[in-house]
Amino acid sequence: GAGVSQSPRYKVAKRGQDVALRCDPISGHVSLFWYQQALGQGPEFLTYFQNEAQLDKSGLPSDRFFAERPEGSVSTLKIQRTQQEDSAVYLCASSLSGVNTIYFGEGSWLTVV
Amino acid sequence: RKEVEQDPGPFNVPEGATVAFNCTYSNSASQSFFWYRQDCRKEPKLLMSVYSSGNEDGRFTAQLNRASQYISLLIRDSKLSDSATYLCVVNTHSDQAGTALIFGKGTTLSVSS
Repeated sequence: GAGVSQSPRYKVAKRGQDVALRCDPISGHVSLFWYQQALGQGPEFLTYFQNEAQLDKSGLPSDRFFAERPEGSVSTLKIQRTQQEDSAVYLCASSLSGVNTIYFGEGSWLTVV
Repeated sequence: RKEVEQDPGPFNVPEGATVAFNCTYSNSASQSFFWYRQDCRKEPKLLMSVYSSGNEDGRFTAQLNRASQYISLLIRDSKLSDSATYLCVVNTHSDQAGTALIFGKGTTLSVSS
């Protein structure tokens, strides 16, 4: 497809379980972003990649969160030992370069029970 | 203080009404400004960029006041299809956020017939 693709679209995890969320950006897009959006809130920045380099991970809420983009294309956001407060939509976005025109995927909806 | 603050809303208006949303940002070094639209259970999509001189796109007018650190969005002749959440977005070049976008919580607009 032409847009940013995320999988799974919906994930229910038991507390303490590890989850992995995948993002397939638009082909050729250099910049990739992960955001977390809780119910009723705006998206909160998590981390940013330029190609395979993770240039900013200041938004990751704890060391249970880890993101990678080893070949500069597909990215994975991993959450270890999930907790209820991790329940949110995880949005991936990509752009040719920088932030002036970024395109979001539909998000991965995570519910931790 | 949150970096980007918006009117809490919700705004409930009849079709044809004019409605204005306001937003303030805290980092005076911010470089770029945007309005995004987010439909229920969907991803955010760029509505328009905001330029210092003000800009218009059909029924939508965006304005920026750098001195007051204030951004606005005006929607004229509201349509039912304008019902959505409008997110004020700022590119804040700070050590904390790197080159990522900072989103406000959003203001919900509901247009009724």
